[in-house]
Amino acid sequence: QKEVEQNSGPLSVPEGAIASLNCTYSDRGSQSFFWYRQYSGKSPELIMFIYSNGDKEDGRFTAQLNKASQYVSLLIRDSQPSDSATYLCAVNPGNQFYFGTGTSLTVIP
Amino acid sequence: KAGVTQTPRYLIKTRGQQVTLSCSPISGHRSVSWYQQTPGQGLQFLFEYFSETQRNKGNFPGRFSGRQFSNSRSEMNVSTLELGDSALYLCASSLSAGGADTQYFGPGTRLTVL
Repeated sequence: QKEVEQNSGPLSVPEGAIASLNCTYSDRGSQSFFWYRQYSGKSPELIMFIYSNGDKEDGRFTAQLNKASQYVSLLIRDSQPSDSATYLCAVNPGNQFYFGTGTSLTVIP
Repeated sequence: KAGVTQTPRYLIKTRGQQVTLSCSPISGHRSVSWYQQTPGQGLQFLFEYFSETQRNKGNFPGRFSGRQFSNSRSEMNVSTLELGDSALYLCASSLSAGGADTQYFGPGTRLTVL
């Protein structure tokens, strides 16, 4: 079983819609959770992190964490074509980062 | 503040050769982690260095090695290259070790093994 699982997609949403990206993890001791965005041919860039159960909002992005269900998600409101990228979920149980394989998102104008 | 830099950006090697990649972390960051990214496997952790010491190592063969210098710059070496080593190699820097802080990635080195 992989440490971090993501639906590889592709996920397509129309411009202006809400994109919902999901991630599950296996280590119940995981402490911190991160979302990275990776454009084709580029390196991952941090979007946001979350440590506590509940929601954390940053602009158009909202991260949601449910430790009991071992589930973390990222919502992108008012999706823009520039949001088209691969989104990587990363989990840290305390010693290193574990990355999912990413979900490819396409926002259709 | 300058970001993470990696050199070279692109490399083409043949099987059996060896290669050395370099990473300079963000100023003040003492932890450098290395990752291999391939389309099928995603980001795979290679190792982490902190204060010139290897703190953690992923599940890669001994052909993959690294080191860190006193100025926190890190190098990664791959010996006896195989076709399957073709990948994007990313380094990430953070303030402290073990992923206690956010990691910031460099632009990566694209290695092609022919």
